[in-house]
Amino acid sequence: DGGITQSPKYLFRKEGQNVTLSCEQNLNHDAMYWYRQDPGQGLRLIYYSQIVNDFQKGDIAEGYSVSREKKESFPLTVTSAQKNPTAFYLCASADREGANYGYTFGSGTRLTVV
Amino acid sequence: AQSVTQLGSHVSVSEGALVLLRCNYSSSVPPYLFWYVQYPNQGLQLLLKYTTGATLVKGINGFEAEFKKSETSFHLTKPSAHMSDAAEYFCAVSGSDMRFGAGTRLTVKP
Repeated sequence: DGGITQSPKYLFRKEGQNVTLSCEQNLNHDAMYWYRQDPGQGLRLIYYSQIVNDFQKGDIAEGYSVSREKKESFPLTVTSAQKNPTAFYLCASADREGANYGYTFGSGTRLTVV
Repeated sequence: AQSVTQLGSHVSVSEGALVLLRCNYSSSVPPYLFWYVQYPNQGLQLLLKYTTGATLVKGINGFEAEFKKSETSFHLTKPSAHMSDAAEYFCAVSGSDMRFGAGTRLTVKP
């Protein structure tokens, strides 16, 4: 079945550590997105990529980094510069007509700082 | 810039009652509008979408929404709530990327 897979489902980070969240899709979608979700704030865009080897900052990119070396993969690194990383992180993908058909979402990664 | 505003962060209805979740949008171009549903600790699932054409759109699980350009609204309705409808609902507008509202948590009382 085609879909988008995020791993791990739960992740714990110590202060000062970098951690990487995985996002893989087998939908042959060109575009991929990372959102951060906090209670009562909806989804805020961190980074997005519309083509391999290219990505753009979203609204809250500070303290995060991404890469897009393969069409299927769009990993997100939460760096030690992100001062409040505890949140639910959602990855999404869309084809070139994403505006028409909407996004497909993964099941999310819940990151907690310990 | 495009944006959406969801009116009411929490809505509570009794089982069998009408569900109405409100969404207003702002867009400088004809909008593409979406409703998504999220169950606890899961991703978002597309309920329905409006792109062009018929202004009343039907989605999964008995939900529908009506695009009203004059009111810049895209409210989500369901005639009869079921316990399984309890979830968080997000309205979204699409441009170069998808912009989401803050969400409305729906509670269904037995």
